[in-house]
Amino acid sequence: DAGVTQSPTHLIKTRGQQVTLRCSPKSGHDTVSWYQQALGQGPQFIFQYYEEEERQRGNFPDRFSGHQFPNYSSELNVNALLLGDSALYLCASSLDGVLSNYGYTFGSGTRLTVV
Amino acid sequence: QQQVKQSPQSLIVQKGGISIINCAYENTAFDYFPWYQQFPGKGPALLIAIRPDVSEKKEGRFTISFNKSAKQFSLHIMDSQPGDSATYFCAASWSPNTGNQFYFGTGTSLTVIP
Repeated sequence: DAGVTQSPTHLIKTRGQQVTLRCSPKSGHDTVSWYQQALGQGPQFIFQYYEEEERQRGNFPDRFSGHQFPNYSSELNVNALLLGDSALYLCASSLDGVLSNYGYTFGSGTRLTVV
Repeated sequence: QQQVKQSPQSLIVQKGGISIINCAYENTAFDYFPWYQQFPGKGPALLIAIRPDVSEKKEGRFTISFNKSAKQFSLHIMDSQPGDSATYFCAASWSPNTGNQFYFGTGTSLTVIP
């Protein structure tokens, strides 16, 4: 049973460019959340997608956008990259309404470096 | 502001010792408190979680102690092993019907010395 799959694993972009990160949720999960983890910090919530719609959003600018597809996979897009966007971007999947003992299942993340 | 405060930032424990990490929260609406373990280059993995209707939960060597009145919870790792060396994050969430987000602490880097 595959867990959460993220691609690419590493990415280097230039300031001002745009980037797209991809996530396939764990089998059976229908909800995808994205988090940004700066070096030495805890993950910060970006947004959550359910039924192909953004359901909840954290304190991130509109440069951060996303999409969820009918197969529950998701993309995170970041426009006009800043140096401060350099971080590990984590995708987490879950089954809507079921937190229980399982919480989220996180992927291994995409390490984005903006130069 | 930081919804969940975690301490200590780093911890060094001898093999076989007890590792204790503490967290405090402010929002009394939180009703789910997980602990995550993260190894370098990997995403966080759920270790153990608790709801506020119980004061303690134990799974193997890992125990969560929960103090609702003090709005604090802690992770105890008994018989700590070198393989437990990782970064640990506490988190808190609530489960409204319209989705949920996790608020994470800043992490504790645990080193278990052989």
